[in-house]
Amino acid sequence: NAGVTQTPKFRILKIGQSMTLQCTQDMNHNYMYWYRQDPGMGLKLIYYSVGAGITDKGEVPNGYNVSRSTTEDFPLRLELAAPSQTSVYFCASSLGRGSSYEQYFGPGTRLTVT
Amino acid sequence: KQEVTQIPAALSVPEGENLVLNCSFTDSAIYNLQWFRQDPGKGLTSLLLIQSSQREQTSGRLNASLDKSSGRSTLYIAASQPGDSATYLCAVENYGQNFVFGPGTRLSVLP
Repeated sequence: NAGVTQTPKFRILKIGQSMTLQCTQDMNHNYMYWYRQDPGMGLKLIYYSVGAGITDKGEVPNGYNVSRSTTEDFPLRLELAAPSQTSVYFCASSLGRGSSYEQYFGPGTRLTVT
Repeated sequence: KQEVTQIPAALSVPEGENLVLNCSFTDSAIYNLQWFRQDPGKGLTSLLLIQSSQREQTSGRLNASLDKSSGRSTLYIAASQPGDSATYLCAVENYGQNFVFGPGTRLSVLP
């Protein structure tokens, strides 16, 4: 059971370039999330999904897109990279929502846009 | 809008000390509160989850308490060890909303 995996671990982009951050979970979780973490700050939710084919915006969705074609995969797309998107990106998943459901996190992708 | 704060922002203690980390939230209508540990350059590891109906949870040397009415949670670490050095984050989930994270407390336990 690998849990939540993310690729790549590190990436440097030039302004205006595009890339996709990959996230896969093997726990058959319905819910998946993308967060970004800026230095000294808590995590902020970018997008989330409650199941295959269903996605919704979080707190900071501008500049990002997502898709959820399968239960396992939840890629995050940056179309026109900007310096403000320099951050560490975490993918997470949970079986459900509510009192007793924990979130499980991937190791993160450190992205620098220059 | 839910806001989560953590005090102190950083803490340095000698090995063996007992310590308390604090988490405060503004909206008490929560499903649960979760404490995480984050090692440098790593993802988050769940430590304890307290459901809204619970007052505390324990795991080994860790004890987390929840007081919804006052909007507070504490994480108590007994007999701290250098291996406990990490950033500790709390997160709350409100009814019908997503998780909101605090900024974390960076803990250093000195040998």
